Amino acid sequence: NAGVTQTPKFQVLKTGQSMTLQCAQDMNHNSMYWYRQDPGMGLRLIYYSASEGTTDKGEVPNGYNVSRLNKREFSLRLESAAPSQTSVYFCASWPRGLYTEAFFGQGTRLTVV
Amino acid sequence: KNEVEQSPQNLTAQEGEFITINCSYSVGISALHWLQQHPGGGIVSLFMLSSGKKKHGRLIATINIQEKHSSLHITASHPRDSAVYICAVNYGGSQGNLIFGKGTKLSVKP
Repeated sequence: NAGVTQTPKFQVLKTGQSMTLQCAQDMNHNSMYWYRQDPGMGLRLIYYSASEGTTDKGEVPNGYNVSRLNKREFSLRLESAAPSQTSVYFCASWPRGLYTEAFFGQGTRLTVV
Repeated sequence: KNEVEQSPQNLTAQEGEFITINCSYSVGISALHWLQQHPGGGIVSLFMLSSGKKKHGRLIATINIQEKHSSLHITASHPRDSAVYICAVNYGGSQGNLIFGKGTKLSVKP
């Protein structure tokens, strides 16, 4: 099993460009999450999807949109990239139940110049 | 604002030493997670705690609900334990709606 797969691993964008970060999990998990990690800060939740067909905002949703395409895939879109969105992005999925552990992707390092 | 504080920020140890990383949080929680982030960047879940103590191999995690404090211990540390260890808490709501600490960077020297 691959677990949680993120693509791409690295990306450089120019300000104003758009792109979609892809995340897929093969563990039949209902919940999927997008986080960003910035130097000197803890990870912060951008958006999440508690089940197929639903999405909700997290702590820092501005400038992002998401799509839960099916149970396996949860994508994060930057419509007009800004330098403030330079970060490392992590996707995670969770099995059913509050007292369970997460599975994280390997991360996408995004630089906006 | 709910916060998660980790200490120390950085920790250097000699191989074989016993290591403790601490995590404090501000209000009642439903679950606490310890995560490991490897030098290559990937994140792995080590423990999820709601009470008491858990042990996996050389790793032990404890939580004191009354004192709002958790510790991660590593016995007989090894250079391969070098990583960033992250504490995260769930104050309620969905599973992954977590507040993360800034992490403790551990370096174990041979």
